[in-house]
Order: sequence, then C-alpha cells, then structure tokens
Amino acid sequence: GAVVSQHPSWVICKSGTSVKIECRSLDFQATTMFWYRQFPKQSLMLMATSNEGSKATYEQGVEKDKFLINHASLTLSTLTVTSAHPEDSSFYICSAPRWEDTEAFFGQGTRLTVV
Amino acid sequence: ELKVEQNPLFLSMQEGKNYTIYCNYSTTSDRLYWYRQDPGKSLESLFVLLSNGAVKQEGRLMASLDTKARLSTLHITAAVHDLSATYFCAVGSNYKLTFGKGTLLTVNP
Repeated sequence: GAVVSQHPSWVICKSGTSVKIECRSLDFQATTMFWYRQFPKQSLMLMATSNEGSKATYEQGVEKDKFLINHASLTLSTLTVTSAHPEDSSFYICSAPRWEDTEAFFGQGTRLTVV
Repeated sequence: ELKVEQNPLFLSMQEGKNYTIYCNYSTTSDRLYWYRQDPGKSLESLFVLLSNGAVKQEGRLMASLDTKARLSTLHITAAVHDLSATYFCAVGSNYKLTFGKGTLLTVNP
C-alpha cells in the first residue's frame, strides 16, 4: 500500500532555533499534503495545506511566518518551525492523499520537544 | 465551521463486553473516517465510510454511517485488551480532515 514517511521521528531543540520536518510520499505523487499538530492528550488540528508548486494555505490562528511550509516536489513537503519555543513542543503529523484512493495516508509523526 | 463531536471521551470496559462510540458532525461531508492511535504513535486507519447506510466490519470493530442524522458509530464487540487505544473519528472533504476529540478506550481484564 501507499506509504508516507516522516523524518525525523523525534527531535529536541533549543529555544530560538529552527527545526525542519520532512514528509515524503514513497510510492506515489502527492500534489497536496496536510500538516497536523497534536498536543498531549488532545486531538489533531489541521495547521496547513501544502500545495506543490504554490504557497501553502494556513488555518486560522496558525502563524505562516513561524511555520514555513515548502512543497517543492511531488513527493516532498517540509515544515520548518522557526524560532521554536517550548509552547511549540508537540506531535506533528503529515498526511498525503492518493487521489484514486478514498483515504489520506499519514506519516509516522514527529515529536518535537523545545527546551 | 465543521464540528465533530465524539462521545464518550473516556471508556473503561471489561473484556468480553460490547460498547459503542458515537460521532456526530455538524455539516454535510463526503466521507467519514475512523482511526486508532496508540500512545506515542501516529494514526492507523480503521474505516472509511462513504455513503449513507454504509457499514464496515473488521474483527471486533464495526462502523456505520447515517448521513441524514450526521452520525457514525463504532461498535466494539466482545472487547479484548489489545483494543485499548484512542479512537478518533474524522470528517472532511478532499482529504482535509476535522477530527473529533477522541475516545480513550481502556479494556480491563
């Protein structure tokens, strides 16, 4: 079946630094990918829609200058958390739909801890 | 704004018992999903329901969809400890999903 891979699985960074998370579709092309965030013991919240070759669309309340999204190829979207702070610590999950299927495939998630 | 309400949020069951998790959503959507999440892990797809009256079953889990009532159910039959996890329903169009708050299921021996 289709596979979506995220990297890294976990990362610890210092406050003020930036962290890049990659989301790859391994056996299909994904013109659209989605980025979600999940705080501990909470649900998933959509952050943004990543569109290949164009600007990402951000959900209300998500700072586009803080969460930079790049979708430069049909198999890769990246989320960069800039000037990270402890409140950005969360589980970040990407998903990518293969349009002929009825579902989107989720990556394994990235646990970000900002210290 | 699409809202998805799940209940109960917490469910403690005895092994061998049956129970149902409910998922209500506020606006028409073209598909409904059920996912399982284990601690520290990502989502595992359980079911995708596409049309009114759809029913799908896998093992001890059965999901159904009533689009007129905007209601989906996830029924657990004869629960076993391995089913302990958090279960989410999600609704959306074009794969852009709004999730319920999740149901933390604990199955006790």
